[in-house]
Amino acid sequence: EAQVTQNPRYLITVTGKKLTVTCSQNMNHEYMSWYRQDPGLGLRQIYYSMNVEVTDKGDVPEGYKVSRKEKRNFPLILESPSPNQTSLYFCASKISTGGRRNSPLHFGNGTRLTVT
Amino acid sequence: TQLLEQSPQFLSIQEGENLTVYCNSSSVFSSLQWYRQEPGEGPVLLVTVVTGGEVKKLKRLTFQFGDARKDSSLHITAAQPGDTGLYLCAGGGGGSYIPTFGRGTSLIVHP
Repeated sequence: EAQVTQNPRYLITVTGKKLTVTCSQNMNHEYMSWYRQDPGLGLRQIYYSMNVEVTDKGDVPEGYKVSRKEKRNFPLILESPSPNQTSLYFCASKISTGGRRNSPLHFGNGTRLTVT
Repeated sequence: TQLLEQSPQFLSIQEGENLTVYCNSSSVFSSLQWYRQEPGEGPVLLVTVVTGGEVKKLKRLTFQFGDARKDSSLHITAAQPGDTGLYLCAGGGGGSYIPTFGRGTSLIVHP
């Protein structure tokens, strides 16, 4: 089954304790992205990657890191989490070759992070 | 960054009513997508519109792309409780592969 898999689904942690949220897709998609979703603010892009070893900042990158060493994986790293990073996080992927730029984004089921 | 404004932000209606959700921008988009997000899940694509004036139907849902490709609407006929969810529009422009999302319309349909 074609899917984007995020882990964990729920995570409660304390300020300053490094954490990683994993994201994997099995559709051979070039493009992958991380979003955070907060009430009233919608989906805001954190980082995205057009292909292996190519990453770029989105609209709200502060406090986050990403890597794209393999095509299928795009982990989100919080080196020193703070309470304002409490949010619902989504990973998404899509084909990004020029002729299919309108292809849909495929989302994971989300990771609900609480930082105390 | 191209901005997409969605209205209304919240909508609470009774089963059987009709409704329209709007997605507006001052920018031109080469395509516009509508997603629905149910509680506890990620957004799922409903439709993509690419031509100004285009109308697409998906059962009781009708999607329209404005002639100038700056706006779109989603009309639901005879809403059902299963239509409950967050409706998001996302626009793509020019050579960008990166869609811009509106803030969403949260719809609740009461039985």
